[in-house]
Amino acid sequence: GQQLNQSPQSMFIQEGEDVSMNCTSSSIFNTWLWYKQDPGEGPVLLIALYKAGELTSNGRLTAQFGITRKDSFLNISASIPSDVGIYFCAGRRETSGSRLTFGEGTQLTVNP
Amino acid sequence: GAVVSQHPSWVICKSGTSVKIECRSLDFQATTMFWYRQFPKQSLMLMATSNEGSKATYEQGVEKDKFLINHASLTLSTLTVTSAHPEDSSFYICSSGRDGYTFGSGTRLTVV
Repeated sequence: GQQLNQSPQSMFIQEGEDVSMNCTSSSIFNTWLWYKQDPGEGPVLLIALYKAGELTSNGRLTAQFGITRKDSFLNISASIPSDVGIYFCAGRRETSGSRLTFGEGTQLTVNP
Repeated sequence: GAVVSQHPSWVICKSGTSVKIECRSLDFQATTMFWYRQFPKQSLMLMATSNEGSKATYEQGVEKDKFLINHASLTLSTLTVTSAHPEDSSFYICSSGRDGYTFGSGTRLTVV
């Protein structure tokens, strides 16, 4: 199915720095999700967003559901080495039941 | 949250043989589960929606006769890759839970 446009593709940062990544689409979504995937593992849900404008935090992670319902961003503050991994956004359209569309992923590398 | 168990975590098979992958929803009775495929360095692509007691719904381009899905109980869905070929080598991941947002740990299939 159609993928979401996720950027950046990769990021190389120093420990302690803040990170921001986002997803955009030409379609409207009614749910936005952010996942982290470690090598050889399934994705783990970090944050789920259900309403336009919603801003939700999970520890050092903050994500927002865009007002237009066509975008979302994820911020990670004060990064640590274990933040390394691939971050995926995923969205659910109103007309697609529980089926999810995934972004291309952002590979995050944190240098100690 | 939901707990999803996937088995096996990896499998190697010969071309032409069939492989069965199990996805169990351990703490949630799932009428719907989802199967995804992920090629190296790529995102997750939905293959099919597994429906308890009825036929699975396949995404466009996914061969239903090659990827057999059985969802005979509320806690178990199986994906059988029939007559596997090297190009079927991939990471197969299922999801379940109330919204289908919880993923299993994935199965690495290598066809030789």
